[in-house]
Amino acid sequence: RKEVEQDPGPFNVPEGATVAFNCTYSNSASQSFFWYRQDCRKEPKLLMSVYSSGNEDGRFTAQLNRASQYISLLIRDSKLSDSATYLCVVNRAGANNLFFGTGTRLTVIP
Amino acid sequence: NAGVTQTPKFQVLKTGQSMTLQCAQDMNHNSMYWYRQDPGMGLRLIYYSASEGTTDKGEVPNGYNVSRLNKREFSLRLESAAPSQTSVYFCASSERLALNNEQFFGPGTRLTVL
Repeated sequence: RKEVEQDPGPFNVPEGATVAFNCTYSNSASQSFFWYRQDCRKEPKLLMSVYSSGNEDGRFTAQLNRASQYISLLIRDSKLSDSATYLCVVNRAGANNLFFGTGTRLTVIP
Repeated sequence: NAGVTQTPKFQVLKTGQSMTLQCAQDMNHNSMYWYRQDPGMGLRLIYYSASEGTTDKGEVPNGYNVSRLNKREFSLRLESAAPSQTSVYFCASSERLALNNEQFFGPGTRLTVL
């Protein structure tokens, strides 16, 4: 079983829509959770960390559900510039590295 | 600040050839990483360096070697390239190895091994 699993999409949504992505992780001892964004043929960049209590950054909201071992990302009022691949990233306690999901591709349509 | 830089951007090798991918960061970060990204696989850690003078294996180290030349530079060497090493290679750095530290990525090297 993969450490991190995501629906690859693609998600095609109109401008202004709300879209949500989920990601599941396999190791209950994981401690750190992130969403990274990767534009086509570019490097990944940190979008936001995910905290236990959930957190919001403008139009983006991240949630963590430890009991079910998933994290989510909600994007409100989608913009064309939100089109990208969103990578779910998780660490595992005792492992000195991060595990990256394969990404969920989002296209926002005018 | 340039952040994390990588050279070359593109490379085509024949099976059995060797090459070194270069990475440098100007953010005074202690930790540096090499990843590869393949379709359907996500980014996978090849090697990392927690601090100057140390290197450790990641998930997929076979066929690669690394050198942490100084605090700024971390190179990845393919001694005898194989088609299975065709991939996009990303170098990254973070302030330290703590797992809640943001990692900053370079623009990547697209490598094709024929």
